[in-house]
Amino acid sequence: DIQMTQSPSSLSASVGDRVTITCQASQDISNYLNWYQQKPGKAPKLLIYDASNLETGVPSRFSGSGSGTDFTFTISSLQPEDIATYYCQQYDNLPLFGGGTKVEIK
Amino acid sequence: EVQLVESGGGLVQPGGSLRLSCAASGFTFSSYWMHWVRQAPGKGLVWVSRINSDGSSTSYADSVKGRFTISRDNAKNTLYLQMNSLRAEDTAVYYCARGDCGGDCFDYWGQGTLVTVSS
Repeated sequence: DIQMTQSPSSLSASVGDRVTITCQASQDISNYLNWYQQKPGKAPKLLIYDASNLETGVPSRFSGSGSGTDFTFTISSLQPEDIATYYCQQYDNLPLFGGGTKVEIK
Repeated sequence: EVQLVESGGGLVQPGGSLRLSCAASGFTFSSYWMHWVRQAPGKGLVWVSRINSDGSSTSYADSVKGRFTISRDNAKNTLYLQMNSLRAEDTAVYYCARGDCGGDCFDYWGQGTLVTVSS
């Protein structure tokens, strides 16, 4: 079975900082990797699909890259409204989420 | 506007059953795969089950296989999750989600319905 390792589990950054989250798959999943944002008490929201494609309406400060086993999610300039937990999700086989990264403001 | 509205959650005793529903509107329901994803209190997202657009193919997470059944009624634009032999570890908010990207990107989500399994 594929395992997804997401890191860090939490981070604290200042407004305007560049924030990077990584997700590593235990085997090659090509580009079958999505990123979601979940704010407290809300349903998740799709931000990035197929590793690097920005979902319609999502601000351009969000981006994704990678293929194979190593993937990166970046917020180029952290904004107060970006406080949330972010999840990667692979779909090479049955869907599987990473453990999540909680992003807080320093 | 795409809308997914879950219902049917509540308190149930261990070993009991519950059926969740997800009413879809604003898109051609019969054209999309649909999924159930759950989230235990304070924990991460866990994929539960999926069904293809015409209901002929289903998949389940190992943790629910043999106990949960996903189904859909395309005439009623409704997705279902029949949950039997419920355990305390099934306690979670259950979300229905629409599948895109060939089926497994979750581009629209419902608001979730809470299932609590407790005596």
